[in-house]
Formats: sequence, structure tokens, C-alpha cells
Amino acid sequence: GAGVSQSPSNKVTEKGKDVELRCDPISGHTALYWYRQSLGQGLEFLIYFQGNSAPDKSGLPSDRFSAERTGGSVSTLTIQRTQQEDSAVYLCASSSRARVDEQFFGPGTRLTVL
Amino acid sequence: SQQGEEDPQALSIQEGENATMNCSYKTSINNLQWYRQNSGRGLVHLILIRSNEREKHSGRLRVTLDTSKKSSSLLITASRAADTASYFCAAGGSYIPTFGRGTSLIVHP
Repeated sequence: GAGVSQSPSNKVTEKGKDVELRCDPISGHTALYWYRQSLGQGLEFLIYFQGNSAPDKSGLPSDRFSAERTGGSVSTLTIQRTQQEDSAVYLCASSSRARVDEQFFGPGTRLTVL
Repeated sequence: SQQGEEDPQALSIQEGENATMNCSYKTSINNLQWYRQNSGRGLVHLILIRSNEREKHSGRLRVTLDTSKKSSSLLITASRAADTASYFCAAGGSYIPTFGRGTSLIVHP
């Protein structure tokens, strides 16, 4: 596709349920990032994938959060046993190997945990 | 942390005026980037300035970088109502740019 896409655009779930958020990066982009943005806050780094290298998971806030990237393309962020403080917009970005610092962002998934 | 921090947190101006936003960071960087975010959704990359550059222009945008002060500024000239958005700087020194909390710009028509 022309840009980074994310699905769903909005997700409302009940506390304690698991959720999966999907990111389709720009074709050919080797780097993929997940960020979280709480209301009125900056972007909080969660996880980074680069090619076939081991992901940098240093930003994941707890072991309830995990992410995978299949075939070097699509990525899924999974949040288990969701809590109300998980409510935020989850943003995915990708970048090319040649211009790794220029990130292209998806529209985000707004997660609301009731 | 290389985190960028924007200043002011909020800025309200009239259409046609210039808007200036500042960014400070803590450690050495390879580059600094500015992004725009509308309505709390995805960010749009505006401009990247490298550590060996002092000034860069793109349309109505002018970015300066002072590595001795560890600061950058984004100037939007002749602002328009459509420029209303949040603006973030991202300090790039490793493979993970770190973002500040942004400046919320409101341009009144």
C-alpha cells in the first residue's frame, strides 16, 4: 500500500480481555516501530523491529505486552489482560534502511479499556 | 535520554502570523526531526535537519539547529488555520528517535 495502515482504528474492550492490534508497514521498509500515546502526552516507545534482527523490546511496559512481526512485514501488538491504564492511541511507524530516521506513521489505533 | 522537549506547550495565534516552536534535547544527536500530528492520530514527517546543518527550509517551514545549545526551532511563516495541530520534535542519535510531548498550535482564522 501507499502508506502504513493500522487496524482496527478504534477498539473498545473490557478490563481483563486480550486485544490484538495490527500494523501493515510500507512495502520494503525494514524497520517497524510501535509507540503508545496517552491523552495529551508524547510518544512512548514500545518496541522496534529491524529486518531479521532480534527486536528491541526495551520499551514494553509489562509482560502483558508482546509483539511479533511475521515475514518481516505485518506486525501484531498483543496486550493481555488489559487494564484501564492501557487506554491510549497505539501508533505504528516504519522506515527504510536507507533513511532509517525518517519514520512514516500509521493513523493509529485508539484503544479504550472500560 | 536524548528526549526532545518542546516549548511552549501551547501556542495560539492569528492566521497570517508566524509561529515559533522550540525543542531542547539532552545528548549528542545525528539529526533532529519535526513532525505534525492532527487530532491525536498519526504523525506526519515535516523536516529533518542533520547535526552538521544549521538551518533548513521547506516551503513555509524554517528549522534551525544549535548543537552547542542542544536546541532547535521550527518557524512556520504566514500561518494558516490548516496549520492547527500538535508539533513534535524527535532527537535522532540511535535507531529509536525519542519524542517530546509536543507543542499544540492553534491558528485562528
